[in-house]
Amino acid sequence: EAAVTQSPRNKVAVTGGKVTLSCNQTNNHNNMYWYRQDTGHGLRLIHYSYGAGSTEKGDIPDGYKASRPSQENFSLILELATPSQTSVYFCASGDAGTDNYAEQFFGPGTRLTVL
Amino acid sequence: AQRVTQVQPTGSSQWGEEVTLDCSYETSEYFYRIFWYRQLFSGEMVFLIYQPSFDTQNQRSGRYSVVFQKSFKSISLVISASQPEDSGTYFCALSELIFGGYKVVFGSGTRLLVSP
Repeated sequence: EAAVTQSPRNKVAVTGGKVTLSCNQTNNHNNMYWYRQDTGHGLRLIHYSYGAGSTEKGDIPDGYKASRPSQENFSLILELATPSQTSVYFCASGDAGTDNYAEQFFGPGTRLTVL
Repeated sequence: AQRVTQVQPTGSSQWGEEVTLDCSYETSEYFYRIFWYRQLFSGEMVFLIYQPSFDTQNQRSGRYSVVFQKSFKSISLVISASQPEDSGTYFCALSELIFGGYKVVFGSGTRLLVSP
């Protein structure tokens, strides 16, 4: 069974503080993703990775950094958190698969509130 | 540029009715895939069905099927015999192979309510 876990599940941070959201997958997938979900916007891609050591900017990367130290782990870092970054963050993993389709497996989400 | 648009923010149906949810997309790639997911009220994302760009046949999976109009860059999800358990938010997603990996972007979703 594919598994993507996120920690923490809930986080309250202060403006200007540093926040790190962690994601771990046991699927051995090369591709990992960070999205944020806000009402009316669906899931917006922040950063993604093709494999250990790689990070790519998604559609809304400003204010976020990402780190992929290993195949299993992908972190999202907010160096200077702002209230506009209050959101629900989802991590996902995916790969080509045997028939060349790449369903994504999602984590449960992290609810971040920046005060 | 990669973009996914779902113009219906909400939808509704009665138990047993067929439901159609629309999605359009922009891509410059020849090979790509379109996925449909449902997000439960808990936040959990559930994979429903996908359509590869190279397949001209509309995909089907149980009560889910798609109407794929590649030339219009449009794809609709059709849910037959809808049930209250089908309520949730439906997302269309575009997956492209870029530089050895897959970039996946989502639409804004359609929140569906199926009444008993």
